[in-house]
Amino acid sequence: QQPVQSPQAVILREGEDAVINCSSSKALYSVHWYRQKHGEAPVFLMILLKGGEQKGHEKISASFNEKKQQSSLYLTASQLSYSGTYFCGTEAMNRDDKIIFGKGTRLHILP
Amino acid sequence: EAGVVQSPRYKIIEKKQPVAFWCNPISGHNTLYWYRQNLGQGPELLIRYENEEAVDDSQLPKDRFSAERLKGVDSTLKIQPAELGDSAVYLCASSLGTGRGEQFFGPGTRLTVL
Repeated sequence: QQPVQSPQAVILREGEDAVINCSSSKALYSVHWYRQKHGEAPVFLMILLKGGEQKGHEKISASFNEKKQQSSLYLTASQLSYSGTYFCGTEAMNRDDKIIFGKGTRLHILP
Repeated sequence: EAGVVQSPRYKIIEKKQPVAFWCNPISGHNTLYWYRQNLGQGPELLIRYENEEAVDDSQLPKDRFSAERLKGVDSTLKIQPAELGDSAVYLCASSLGTGRGEQFFGPGTRLTVL
């Protein structure tokens, strides 16, 4: 089942913060986050494997609440280079090694 | 280190014509994925290979799509015949192994079926 991402789109000014949410109706083993710029390949940001785990990548961090089957991506002091579409991908607890991607959240950073 | 290579980058064909996409994964990556990405959507898995074995092809429309990964390296995805609804970006990705985390995506092939 496809995870649900919110919001669908965000417009920020450079330096502002953003939160992107990803929720699933299934119990999750892992959550993957990717960023895709227009016309380019998705690029891996991070993977979260444990409930409650948090990880960081530059000024981008994420959390994974296993009980709520939710993950959130936090972008702090956003930079112009953060613009793009962010996808979460979820792997179910049955560890079928299949990642199902959400529809994405479009982030546009204004100078 | 070279990334995932795909060709062609763009392809325009008439419906009912055949088309093939080629992917060369990162050297040493045992797992290879083919995804389809429709406009405004996330990538959707079509098939996953572990070396030369297709371990998950449940989402591959087998009446018209086929794939192969000879010698566990390069892979080809074919559509025959193509339909209007096949217009999409076809992405190839590779990883060190299933469950090993990061997938590295190629630039994709944008297919337009007229």
